[in-house]
Amino acid sequence: DTEVTQTPKHLVMGMTNKKSLKCEQHMGHRAMYWYKQKAKKPPELMFVYSYEKLSINESVPSRFSPECPNSSLLNLHLHALQPEDSALYLCASSQEGNTIYFGEGSWLTVV
Amino acid sequence: AQSVTQLGSHVSVSEGALVLLRCNYSSSVPPYLFWYVQYPNQGLQLLLKYTSAATLVKGINGFEAEFKKSETSFHLTKPSAHMSDAAEYFCAVSDLRNDYKLSFGAGTTVTVRA
Repeated sequence: DTEVTQTPKHLVMGMTNKKSLKCEQHMGHRAMYWYKQKAKKPPELMFVYSYEKLSINESVPSRFSPECPNSSLLNLHLHALQPEDSALYLCASSQEGNTIYFGEGSWLTVV
Repeated sequence: AQSVTQLGSHVSVSEGALVLLRCNYSSSVPPYLFWYVQYPNQGLQLLLKYTSAATLVKGINGFEAEFKKSETSFHLTKPSAHMSDAAEYFCAVSDLRNDYKLSFGAGTTVTVRA
């Protein structure tokens, strides 16, 4: 089973709202990722967690705040976003140094 | 640094025809190579991967890819296109020197004509 589950599938939020995206995997993978994807573009890496610790932050603005409560869960907290942050947000997981498996994504619209 | 070039941003094929998507990579160490497919309004699904075993890799949905080190290529093929193959295809590379971070190509959109 190579399933990464993301909720919600669609989210519309105002620029003053606080919301969260959630991700779950039960494959025992030790690395989890957040990617951002704009239309007709490849995914861009945002954050990497390895063994529940943040290992890579690709210079992402602080209005995006990741959290890894345990080895199966990954959250992305959103606050004071801008319309240009509207995108598909993809969660992924992998055993370190191996294949990365993606979820179905959360479509975010900032109004 | 590792990188990927996908030749052709858009490929149009007739149903039943050969699908050929080109991918060239650069990496200073032995790479891991991947093809992902993204259907409209969905996430990325792994089609196949090369991780230094057999050079001809078979994936899901009838796709296969051949790793050619001398040409630094990892082209994706399917002998007979189906309407359901219409999607965006991404080639990606990772290696040890970059902590196995994925570098994606720009993507190729495949349309299938009836």
